Amino acid sequence: KAGVTQTPRYLIKTRGQQVTLSCSPISGHRSVSWYQQTPGQGLQFLFEYFSETQRNKGNFPGRFSGRQFSNSRSEMNVSTLELGDSALYLCASSLTGTLYNEQFFGPGTRLTVL
Amino acid sequence: AQSVTQPDIHITVSEGASLELRCNYSYGATPYLFWYVQSPGQGLQLLLKYFSGDTLVQGIKGFEAEFKRSQSSFNLRKPSVHWSDAAEYFCAVGRGDDKIIFGKGTRLHILP
Repeated sequence: KAGVTQTPRYLIKTRGQQVTLSCSPISGHRSVSWYQQTPGQGLQFLFEYFSETQRNKGNFPGRFSGRQFSNSRSEMNVSTLELGDSALYLCASSLTGTLYNEQFFGPGTRLTVL
Repeated sequence: AQSVTQPDIHITVSEGASLELRCNYSYGATPYLFWYVQSPGQGLQLLLKYFSGDTLVQGIKGFEAEFKRSQSSFNLRKPSVHWSDAAEYFCAVGRGDDKIIFGKGTRLHILP
């Protein structure tokens, strides 16, 4: 069974631009969660999608948004990029998104904002 | 508010030595607790989890963790580390709304 895939793996953008990251979950998984990982703040929860609906949201500004498609693939978008948005963005999928189901993480997209 | 503290940012042990990574949590109800490992360039992998029952939990790769309610701790242990265990380890607590709060991580270095 293929794991969680994230594209692209690396991205360089400049301040003010916008970016879209993609995540393909494990086949059959309906929940996709996104996390931001930085050296200073560690892993922070962005949002979770289940069956195309945002079910949970972390404490991030509205510049961070996401969506999920009917095939469970998910995208997250960051508009008006700031230097502080430089981070590793991790996507995780699970069967139902509850704590009882293991989350499987992708390798992440490394975003650098110049 | 829920929180997870990993007091050690870096730990260095010799190959073959025993390991204990510390984790303290703050959570009002019975916690759901996790340990994840992240190898360089990779995502996180679940090592083990505690929901209820036996407070000593066995995980993959020879790891175990013990839940101690009185100390609000969930320390990760391994009797003998291998060079391939060098990675970053994250303790996490699950909330009632199914969110997971992660600690800042402990980076493990292995001396040959």
